[in-house]
Amino acid sequence: ETGVTQTPRHLVMGMTNKKSLKCEQHLGHNAMYWYKQSAKKPLELMFVYSLEERVENNSVPSRFSPECPNSSHLFLHLHTLQPEDSALYLCASSQDGHGGNTGELFFGEGSRLTVL
Amino acid sequence: LAKTTQPISMDSYEGQEVNITCSHNNIATNDYITWYQQFPSQGPRFIIQGYKTKVTNEVASLFIPADRKSSTLSLPRVSLSDTAVYYCLVGEAPSSASKIIFGSGTRLSIRP
Repeated sequence: ETGVTQTPRHLVMGMTNKKSLKCEQHLGHNAMYWYKQSAKKPLELMFVYSLEERVENNSVPSRFSPECPNSSHLFLHLHTLQPEDSALYLCASSQDGHGGNTGELFFGEGSRLTVL
Repeated sequence: LAKTTQPISMDSYEGQEVNITCSHNNIATNDYITWYQQFPSQGPRFIIQGYKTKVTNEVASLFIPADRKSSTLSLPRVSLSDTAVYYCLVGEAPSSASKIIFGSGTRLSIRP
């Protein structure tokens, strides 16, 4: 138990569907992240939110739309995805920018997405 | 961002000590070195972090030479459950949210 909870754990969707991934952190952190991990590839940083403001979007296609309503919740809205978007989507949180912290990332278990 | 280079894979046997070395020739003065462990279909998990010399915790040791251009993660007496991918990261700590980038990691396989 890392303090970061992701739902659903598994999701199968068609290319025309709209779905959302949810992440919740119970650690009091002020930064949250979405990473994508495809088979045999390194983790790719998709989005970063710090203090609920998006600070980084690493050229992610617009069919992925993040939402951070507060410091504890992060969503990834999915629409008109492609089969190559099938991957493990990982949410993480950290305490950003304060002295005395390691900046350690705490990851959820991930949401395994399959696009048909 | 300092680029890191580590072996793609390593094999060892139960009970052995495993050392994984990471090169980071362009490490900056404010950069820390952090290692994560990832099991299949799970998110990475923080193992250890250091700035210089040696750091030890209940899981591993981290050795950093004086020039800080490399670091070595040492896992004492590994078991089958240590089979995982190990990532070396270099960046400021506490880390700015946008600077936590993972490389390819080292796939460690432990055999009986």
